[in-house]
Amino acid sequence: GENVEQHPSTLSVQEGDSAVIKCTYSDSASNYFPWYKQELGKGPQLIIDIRSNVGEKKDQRIAVTLNKTAKHFSLHITETQPEDSAVYFCAASKRGSYIPTFGRGTSLIVHP
Amino acid sequence: NAGVMQNPRHLVRRRGQEARLRCSPMKGHSHVYWYRQLPEEGLKFMVYLQKENIIDESGMPKERFSAEFPKEGPSILRIQQVVRGDSAAYFCASSPTRLAEGRDTQYFGPGTRLTVL
Repeated sequence: GENVEQHPSTLSVQEGDSAVIKCTYSDSASNYFPWYKQELGKGPQLIIDIRSNVGEKKDQRIAVTLNKTAKHFSLHITETQPEDSAVYFCAASKRGSYIPTFGRGTSLIVHP
Repeated sequence: NAGVMQNPRHLVRRRGQEARLRCSPMKGHSHVYWYRQLPEEGLKFMVYLQKENIIDESGMPKERFSAEFPKEGPSILRIQQVVRGDSAAYFCASSPTRLAEGRDTQYFGPGTRLTVL
């Protein structure tokens, strides 16, 4: 089955800096890669996703890149703000299922 | 449009008791997914249900765990004879269509945090 590795487990940045979270996956059939943000005491919320027919997708301060050959994808957050502090999960899924396999999460801390 | 609702938000049980977790999907969603999250770990898929049917239960433990999504009412995740290792956050998600069709994503509820004493 699919295995998703996520790094780092903890990321601490100063407000205004950029943050990058990286994930690798094992199943070459995976073609859908969502990212979720989980705030304390809440459920994960989808923030951005990318499908395998594109290499990059942006939404304001958030971007995701995908390298299918290397089987890795990354989340980029620019101009970080304290409210970006949360646990971020990457996930991978494939056509015919789309039930995602999640990474272990990255705790992002943005210091004011 | 209300989001996915889960209750209770916190549940405390003693070893050997039963835990019943409820999930009401978003309006118009007929597909429900249950996940378990252990501390400092990602979400692990447990079961996927559509109204009155279990579609995929590959992530469900073989014993003590069961799930249903009746024609009327919320989806229920039931854990019988709970043990300390069942302590975790249980999340429900819903989608309007089968995820396998690739058109939609799933929306998560706030979770139920189960503590087994």
